[in-house]
Formats: sequence, C-alpha cells, structure tokens
Amino acid sequence: GENVEQHPSTLSVQEGDSAVIKCTYSDSASNYFPWYKQELGKRPQLIIDIRSNVGEKKDQRIAVTLNKTAKHFSLHITETQPEDSAVYFCAASIRSSNTGKLIFGQGTTLQVKP
Amino acid sequence: DTGVSQNPRHKITKRGQNVTFRCDPISEHNRLYWYRQTLGQGPEFLTYFQNEAQLEKSRLLSDRFSAERPKGSFSTLEIQRTEQGDSAMYLCASSSGQPGMDTQYFGPGTRLTVL
Repeated sequence: GENVEQHPSTLSVQEGDSAVIKCTYSDSASNYFPWYKQELGKRPQLIIDIRSNVGEKKDQRIAVTLNKTAKHFSLHITETQPEDSAVYFCAASIRSSNTGKLIFGQGTTLQVKP
Repeated sequence: DTGVSQNPRHKITKRGQNVTFRCDPISEHNRLYWYRQTLGQGPEFLTYFQNEAQLEKSRLLSDRFSAERPKGSFSTLEIQRTEQGDSAMYLCASSSGQPGMDTQYFGPGTRLTVL
C-alpha cells in the first residue's frame, strides 16, 4: 500500500554541523514532497517542498533533493542552530486518490546541541 | 491571524461521550483535510473536502466518526461513543490550487483525551 519510510528516527548533532534526513516512498506516481517542522505542542509548519520536475531545491540553510528513479528524497540542513531542534516530517502526495492527501513519514527528532 | 484555526484546543472526555471539533480554514481555500496524529507518529489522513463535498474517507474513519463542511467554509468532525483509542491530536489543513501539488497549511490541532 501507500507508504513513506523516514530515517533516522532521532538525530543529534553539534551546533554548526549538518543534518540529513532521508525518506523513501512507495507510490511511483507521487509528484509532490513537502517537509514539515513541528515543535513541541505546535502545528506542523512547511519548511520546504519539491515537485517532481526538479531534482533539488534550496532555501538558505535548507535543501531538499529528489531521486524519482529510486523513489527517495532527502532534507539537508547546514550550519544547524539550536532553534532547528524539532521533529521533522517528510510527506508524499498520493496521486491515485486525486485529492492531494499526504502520506507522512514517522518523523525525525532533531536535537542540536549548543 | 489569517491562518487555519481549530477549536477547542484541548478536550477531555469520558469514554462513551460524543465530541465535536471545529476547523476554520484559510478563507480562500476550497480544500480541507482532517488528519489524526498520535504521539511519536506522523499525521494520518482521515478525510477530505472539496468545497462542501466530502470526496474521500480513510478506512481509519469508523462509523463513529462523521465530518461535515456544510457551506464549504468551516468543517466539523464528530466522534460518537468515544473510546480510549480515539485519544490523539486531530489536525485540520487547508489548501487551494491543484490537488497533490500545493501546500497544505495546518491548524494548531485539537488534542483529545478519552478517560
């Protein structure tokens, strides 16, 4: 069935280091891949997204890469800061349903140590 | 605040009671989604509205769950005869544009605790 796998489940880095989170998806027709950041007790907030017609997208310290052949995409955060600490979720749209519903990964808890 | 809003933010109820949650999407958004999030997991899709039409329901949505969007604006999610397994965060999201290609904006959620 429709599935998104996300790794790692937890990630601890030193401030200033880079962090990479990886996701794989099952629906080969998926063409929209957002990443959400969720701080404790708060709503998921979109930080970056990528559509299938591009392989990479960058926004300041955040970048996302997409490999449609391998059906995986990754989030890269450079020069991490303590305020980057949060849970990050990847997601993929499910084209077969025509509704745009998202299937989410299990989440990665990122801890940035000062 | 012109974002998605949800009420109440927290709801504690006893098993067997009925509860109703409300979602007010961003005003120009014609698409509205409900998701459920349990601790340590990503949001799971429950149901989808395009304007006032409910076009998809997940198999997670048992007969005890019903959702409406009567005028294509706000939406309500009702759970009848609540069970302890219903305890979760219920998130609403809205969007506009092309399905499957546009941003879904989430509300702050309603945290339900069933005792």
